[in-house]
Amino acid sequence: DAMVIQNPRYQVTQFGKPVTLSCSQTLNHNVMYWYQQKSSQAPKLLFHYYDKDFNNEADTPDNFQSRRPNTSFCFLDIRSPGLGDAAMYLCATSTAGERHNEQFFGPGTRLTVL
Amino acid sequence: AQSVTQPDIHITVSEGASLELRCNYSYGATPYLFWYVQSPGQGLQLLLKYFSGDTLVQGIKGFEAEFKRSQSSFNLRKPSVHWSDAAEYFCAVGWGDMRFGAGTRLTVKP
Repeated sequence: DAMVIQNPRYQVTQFGKPVTLSCSQTLNHNVMYWYQQKSSQAPKLLFHYYDKDFNNEADTPDNFQSRRPNTSFCFLDIRSPGLGDAAMYLCATSTAGERHNEQFFGPGTRLTVL
Repeated sequence: AQSVTQPDIHITVSEGASLELRCNYSYGATPYLFWYVQSPGQGLQLLLKYFSGDTLVQGIKGFEAEFKRSQSSFNLRKPSVHWSDAAEYFCAVGWGDMRFGAGTRLTVKP
């Protein structure tokens, strides 16, 4: 089945220790998104890639970076995680065009910062 | 300003009862409208979507939603709730990108 995969599902890191979260997709979608979702809150868009074009949300902290080496993979790098970065991180994909807003989500990675 | 409002933070219904979750939006034009469901510790699953055409849309798991332009609403309904429907429900609207409402947590009583 075509799908969006996130690894790992659970990630524990230490305060200030860099961490990378991974997302891969078999849908061949050209748009990939990263969301941060804190407990009992709505997902908040961090950034997205339209093919290789990177689009950063204005209020996304510099501590968050992303890489998309190819169509299938996208990574979220948190350079120096703080306690406030503990959250669920959701990856999503979509196709460009009229229906490009329909997004397909992965299961998420829950990040714990000690 | 563009916004999505889900007025109910938490709703409790009895199993077998009907359900309606409210969603209101504020946009310059009719956006694309979505309802997603999220079970604890899981990603978001699309229940249904509205782009154009018939204002009553059917989704998965027996859910439906009705788009009312005059009220800027897109309320989600289900005639008979099952215990497995307990989850968080998010309304989302998009016009170039997607914005989520704050979510409504549904509890189902036996």
